[in-house]
Amino acid sequence: DGGITQSPKYLFRKEGQNVTLSCEQNLNHDAMYWYRQDPGQGLRLIYYSQIVNDFQKGDIAEGYSVSREKKESFPLTVTSAQKNPTAFYLCASSIAVWGADTQYFGPGTRLTVL
Amino acid sequence: QKEVEQNSGPLSVPEGAIASLNCTYSDRGSQSFFWYRQYSGKSPELIMSIYSNGDKEDGRFTAQLNKASQYVSLLIRDSQPSDSATYLCAVNMAGRGSTLGRLYFGRGTQLTVWP
Repeated sequence: DGGITQSPKYLFRKEGQNVTLSCEQNLNHDAMYWYRQDPGQGLRLIYYSQIVNDFQKGDIAEGYSVSREKKESFPLTVTSAQKNPTAFYLCASSIAVWGADTQYFGPGTRLTVL
Repeated sequence: QKEVEQNSGPLSVPEGAIASLNCTYSDRGSQSFFWYRQYSGKSPELIMSIYSNGDKEDGRFTAQLNKASQYVSLLIRDSQPSDSATYLCAVNMAGRGSTLGRLYFGRGTQLTVWP
């Protein structure tokens, strides 16, 4: 089945730790995105990538890092510099760059800081 | 400032009624509009996309777009309890110095359909 997978589903982080969230897609989409969602809030863009080995900051990139070494994979690292990382993290992909292309979402990772 | 505003909820309708969800956006040049449904604890799933002025129907769902008024809406006919979810409006708006756009999301409207 084609789709987007994210792992883990739940993640707990201690203060000062870096953690990496996985996102994989087999839709052959060029573009991938990371969003953060807090309770009662809309989706806020963290990073996006339009092509392998290239990525751009979104609205709230501070404290996060990404890589795009393969077309299928776009992992997100939440660093210790991110002061309030507890949130629901959503990965999405689309056929190409922004514009008319529909974005499809993975199931999400819920991160909690202990 | 790119903004997408949705009517504040929660919205509560009885089963079988029409639910009306509204969204306004700030960028007059926007060309692509999407409605996503998000169940509690789950990720958003696409319901409708609309690109031209007027109505677009898909089953019980109708999206309506009025670019002159910068307004897009979603109507759900014959509402069912399974429609109870948060509905997110997303609008493609152009980025700085580029014709390429990006999606901006509203905060969502929570809909409850009671039996």
